[in-house]
Amino acid sequence: QKEVEQDPGPLSVPEGAIVSLNCTYSNSAFQYFMWYRQYSRKGPELLMYTYSSGNKEDGRFTAQVDKSSKYISLFIRDSQPSDSATYLCAMRDYMEYGNKLVFGAGTILRVKS
Amino acid sequence: DSGVTQTPKHLITATGQRVTLRCSPRSGDLSVYWYQQSLDQGLQFLIQYYNGEERAKGNILERFSAQQFPDLHSELNLSSLELGDSALYFCASSVAGGENIQYFGAGTRLSVL
Repeated sequence: QKEVEQDPGPLSVPEGAIVSLNCTYSNSAFQYFMWYRQYSRKGPELLMYTYSSGNKEDGRFTAQVDKSSKYISLFIRDSQPSDSATYLCAMRDYMEYGNKLVFGAGTILRVKS
Repeated sequence: DSGVTQTPKHLITATGQRVTLRCSPRSGDLSVYWYQQSLDQGLQFLIQYYNGEERAKGNILERFSAQQFPDLHSELNLSSLELGDSALYFCASSVAGGENIQYFGAGTRLSVL
């Protein structure tokens, strides 16, 4: 079983729709939860990050974390064709002297105009 | 633009060869991370350096090695290349301490023929 589970999609929605992207995780030691957006053959671009359970809003994006359920979500309001990309959830895992990010598989989102 | 610079953008080489990938972190960032992204494995952590010292290691093959130089740029060396090493290789950097958020470069696409 993977440490981070994410439905790879693809998820296809009409322009203007509300999009919900989700990840579950198994390691309760994970701290800091991030969402990255990756356009085809480009580097992951940080969208949002949060540490505690609850909601964090930034423009059209809302990140939600529920540590008790080990579940995180990203909501995109008023979705645009330019939002079409792969969305990766990531979680920080601390190691003895350093740290790493553990990524979900990524969800492919297609917003149709 | 994340501020993380990776060169070259694309490398084409043959099996058995050796290549070097280069990464310059964002100004002020002391940590450098290397990740491999393949279709079947997703984004996988390879190794972290902090101010010239190795801090964390993932499932990095013995044929792969990395180092971080005094000017904080990092190089990932891949030797005895196999077809299965074809992937996108990303470098990320972060500041020391605090939220330690990782910002990614545009990646190097390695094609082993």
